[in-house]
Amino acid sequence: AQSVTQPDIHITVSEGASLELRCNYSYGATPYLFWYVQSPGQGLQLLLKYFSGDTLVQGIKGFEAEFKRSQSSFNLRKPSVHWSDAAEYFCAVGLNQAGTALIFGKGTTLSVSS
Amino acid sequence: GAVVSQHPSRVICKSGTSVKIECRSLDFQATTMFWYRQFPKKSLMLMATSNEGSKATYEQGVEKDKFLINHASLTLSTLTVTSAHPEDSSFYICSARDSGNSAFFGQGTRLTVV
Repeated sequence: AQSVTQPDIHITVSEGASLELRCNYSYGATPYLFWYVQSPGQGLQLLLKYFSGDTLVQGIKGFEAEFKRSQSSFNLRKPSVHWSDAAEYFCAVGLNQAGTALIFGKGTTLSVSS
Repeated sequence: GAVVSQHPSRVICKSGTSVKIECRSLDFQATTMFWYRQFPKKSLMLMATSNEGSKATYEQGVEKDKFLINHASLTLSTLTVTSAHPEDSSFYICSARDSGNSAFFGQGTRLTVV
């Protein structure tokens, strides 16, 4: 069965520091992988997605993620975190390329300290 | 990008009453919409897939008689929580798929049953 694991429940980084949020997936076929961000009480915003091709994917707000098939990982990175990046981040595997019918990880809460 | 609007954003209802949540695609037609439920500090769980003009497909463990879904038009899907109880209190989020096979999320509805 498909599953997504985000090992880190809560991460705190200093503003300006680099960030890496971990995501591991379990999926039998070619994975369609997504990262979403959710601000408190809000819906989800797509940061980036991977379907195929270049394993390093660029997204919005300066985020990028790297797909590593050998490690079943799709970690999210940002070189310099801003205070406005504080939010909940979800990794998800999609059952199709549309990114619909998603299976989400439990999320990682990012706090940014000044 | 495409906009998906959910209404209401917050609702408080008495135990035993029914609540309807609307999900509208504002600038595109969505033949397929999805309803998710999010518990506090938990991930999103896919409840059902809503197809315009046909019955919704519910995920395992989701009571279809309790969570009624209607997708009567290409821009509107509704989720009705019938005979709501405190344990139904949650954050409900919809997503809609556009013709380009991209999924967009609504801003969510916070339901509190007292």
